[in-house]
Amino acid sequence: AQSVTQLGSHVSVSEGALVLLRCNYSSSVPPYLFWYVQYPNQGLQLLLKYTTGATLVKGINGFEAEFKKSETSFHLTKPSAHMSDAAEYFCAVTVASSNTGKLIFGQGTTLQVKP
Amino acid sequence: NAGVTQTPKFRILKIGQSMTLQCAQDMNHNYMYWYRQDPGMGLKLIYYSVGAGITDKGEVPNGYNVSRSTTEDFPLRLELAAPSQTSVYFCASTGTGGTYEQYFGPGTRLTVT
Repeated sequence: AQSVTQLGSHVSVSEGALVLLRCNYSSSVPPYLFWYVQYPNQGLQLLLKYTTGATLVKGINGFEAEFKKSETSFHLTKPSAHMSDAAEYFCAVTVASSNTGKLIFGQGTTLQVKP
Repeated sequence: NAGVTQTPKFRILKIGQSMTLQCAQDMNHNYMYWYRQDPGMGLKLIYYSVGAGITDKGEVPNGYNVSRSTTEDFPLRLELAAPSQTSVYFCASTGTGGTYEQYFGPGTRLTVT
């Protein structure tokens, strides 16, 4: 069975500072990993995903994440935070062999960006 | 493409009332899902479907029912609404044979008083 842990339910950074949101997963088989963003009063939007191949994946809005199998991690980063990045971020996992497509979500991390 | 659509956007129910949350997708996705989102709790899977006529329970199915008569539509039925069902409900879909990236609707905010 898969599981996801997001370390830190709230992260606060200053505008222009590095954003680092942490995600660790558990899976007995190679995972597919996702980061979603949710702006206030909206649905979830895919930021980026890792399936196979290159372990550093780039997404929308300048975000990227690196799949590290040895650390079972998929941390999300952005070099310079913008006020518009304030949102809730969810990490999720599934596996290629799934016959249901179900995603397992972390609890979410709220990113606050201070001017 | 409209993607995943949900109606209504907001609804207030009295305890004991029933209602149906509508969800539709126009991407010909076989897999569809219903989640509820409560503050600080992430997303919990209520029910899912892998195709028309096939549904199964997720993590928190009690108090809900679903049906899937067509590929496009996946309504969620609340019977005898309770305050514990106050939440934001999201519908999502994904295709088969791919990476299982789910596409989400805008959500329905439900309050039961």
